[in-house]
Amino acid sequence: DAKTTQPNSMESNEEEPVHLPCNHSTISGTDYIHWYRQLPSQGPEYVIHGLTSNVNNRMASLAIAEDRKSSTLILHRATLRDAAVYYCILGSTDSWGKLQFGAGTQVVVTP
Amino acid sequence: DAGVTQSPTHLIKTRGQQVTLRCSPKSGHDTVSWYQQALGQGPQFIFQYYEEEERQRGNFPDRFSGHQFPNYSSELNVNALLLGDSALYLCASSLDLLGQPYNEQFFGPGTRLTVL
Repeated sequence: DAKTTQPNSMESNEEEPVHLPCNHSTISGTDYIHWYRQLPSQGPEYVIHGLTSNVNNRMASLAIAEDRKSSTLILHRATLRDAAVYYCILGSTDSWGKLQFGAGTQVVVTP
Repeated sequence: DAGVTQSPTHLIKTRGQQVTLRCSPKSGHDTVSWYQQALGQGPQFIFQYYEEEERQRGNFPDRFSGHQFPNYSSELNVNALLLGDSALYLCASSLDLLGQPYNEQFFGPGTRLTVL
């Protein structure tokens, strides 16, 4: 399975944007890029996913490099509720939703 | 609409014992996956059930087994518990859409298992 590399932690001020990088140099053509986050004392929750084009939803934006070897999750205005561990995960189209989590990035939001 | 529910919330067992954890998927979902999350680490995939069969399995020993019922709910069984089995056990459900390349996973709050 293709692996991802993320920074251990990132800090942001409230209402500032947060850019979370993810490297996935061994990504294959059928791999989707998924982002999940895990708030304290909760199970992970879906944030966003993409294949080749940049994606936007109500929670975040996903910017995917042209060669697909890296991507960036963008939280446009961080709130205290966005403090969580963010996981960047690759999943192929035949993986039936199986998720291979790494250690993720701990996002700290300060008021 | 109830999301994914898991029971019990917390459980304490001793080494060598057996444990059964339960999961009810989100309404309308037919696929259940189980994950183990040790403290400070990301969740690790145990196995996935679809149509009452184990469809995929991660790198876990045979002491870990499961079952899916006709109503899509699922159980995770762990035999001969070890201290290292202490973890948060997460259940995730999804809808297997034929021909769709992506299935969003919905996670429950987990069961905290402590093995003494």
